[in-house]
Order: sequence, then structure tokens, then C-alpha cells
Amino acid sequence: DIVMTQSPDSLAVFLGERATINCKSSQSVLYSSNNKNYLAWYQQKPGQPPKLLIYWASTRESGVPDRFSGSGSGTDFTLTISSLQAEDVAVYYCQQYYGTPPHTFGQGTKLEIK
Amino acid sequence: EVQLVESGGGLVQPGGSLRLSCAGSGFTFSSHWMSWVRQAPGKGLEWVAKIKQDGSGKYYVDSVKGRFTISRDNAKNSLYLQMNSLRAEDTAVYYCARVSSSGGGSADYWGQGTLVTVSS
Repeated sequence: DIVMTQSPDSLAVFLGERATINCKSSQSVLYSSNNKNYLAWYQQKPGQPPKLLIYWASTRESGVPDRFSGSGSGTDFTLTISSLQAEDVAVYYCQQYYGTPPHTFGQGTKLEIK
Repeated sequence: EVQLVESGGGLVQPGGSLRLSCAGSGFTFSSHWMSWVRQAPGKGLEWVAKIKQDGSGKYYVDSVKGRFTISRDNAKNSLYLQMNSLRAEDTAVYYCARVSSSGGGSADYWGQGTLVTVSS
């Protein structure tokens, strides 16, 4: 199974500043035939289900603010929030959906306001 | 509007069984893979199971293989998770999720979840 490791486990950032969350997979999730990275990012606020932010590693889901961006390829990925807003306080998860399941999640990164 | 509504959670003794249901609406249910994802209290997300549009393909995380069965009834727009031989470590909120048709295996809609508590 592919193991997803996020860093850091928690992060505190000033409002308006940049927040960066990393995700590393134990094997490549880049499918060479279509050059797509099978990697998604989710946001989960307390008491709510997860919300899809990014898929294919860098494609923003409809309605997601453009301050959220995803980057990376192969085994190393990053979720960036360019200017942190109060409503962005949440736990963020990466997930790989490469090949045959299980489609594992990272352990989560808790984002707070400094 | 896409909606997913889970039901069937509750308190069950170790070794017992429970059947979760998820009713989908606002989209063509039979066109999407569907998944179950769980979250133990205060913990992260764990992918549990996934089923193909016509039910012909089913996948499970190792920890539930042989105990859980995912199924669907496209005529009723419903997804199910039959959970047998339940253990304390199965205690979690269970989410039903729709797999995106354009985003590969990412889950673009989620239900609110149903809590399963395994305890004597």
C-alpha cells in the first residue's frame, strides 16, 4: 500500500501570510501514460465532513478560492494558501488515488492562526 | 443539489453487526464509483472501501477485509456497508463519498457521516 506522510503535523500562520503543507508518497503517484498525478487535497473543519479542494495535484475544485493552490509531482506535493484567512482554520489531508485501492490519506495537518 | 445522507449507525457490542446505508440524490447515482471513509474520534481519515458503478468491482482496506461488505442498489440510489465481527477499533464516524467523474479517484461530495460505536 502507498503510505502518505504529511508535514508538519500542525502549523500556525499569521492572517494574510502564506501557509504551506507538504505531502510525500511512498511511491510515485504519477501515471506516465496521461502525465497526471493521482493526488487530492481536502479541508476538514470541526464537526464537518471533508471538502475537496484540489485534484490531479493542482486542479482547483469548482468554487474553491484561488488562494488555494497545489503543486508537485511524483512523490512530493505541496498545498499552499497564499494569504491565510480566518475561515481557513481546519485540518488538511492529502490522498492518493493511484491504481488499485486502498486510496490512502495522509495523517492530516492542523492549521491555526498565530 | 447533490446530497448524500448516511444512516444506520449506533452502539453495538464487540462481535456484533451493523448495516450502514447512504442515500444519494441530485445526481445520476449509477454513473459514479462510491466510497466509504471513516474517522475515529479525534483521528484522521481512513479510506475503507470502494465500489464500481455497476457493483462489479469492490475494494477494501486490509483491516476490514472479510468482515465488511460494500454494496449498492442503483434502482434505489443507495450505497451500503455491511459490517460484521465488529471490533472496538471500528468505532468511528463513517462517511459516504461520491467519487468524482472528472477528478479521478478524488471524492467530490461527502455525507455528514454516521457514528458507529463498538463497545460492551
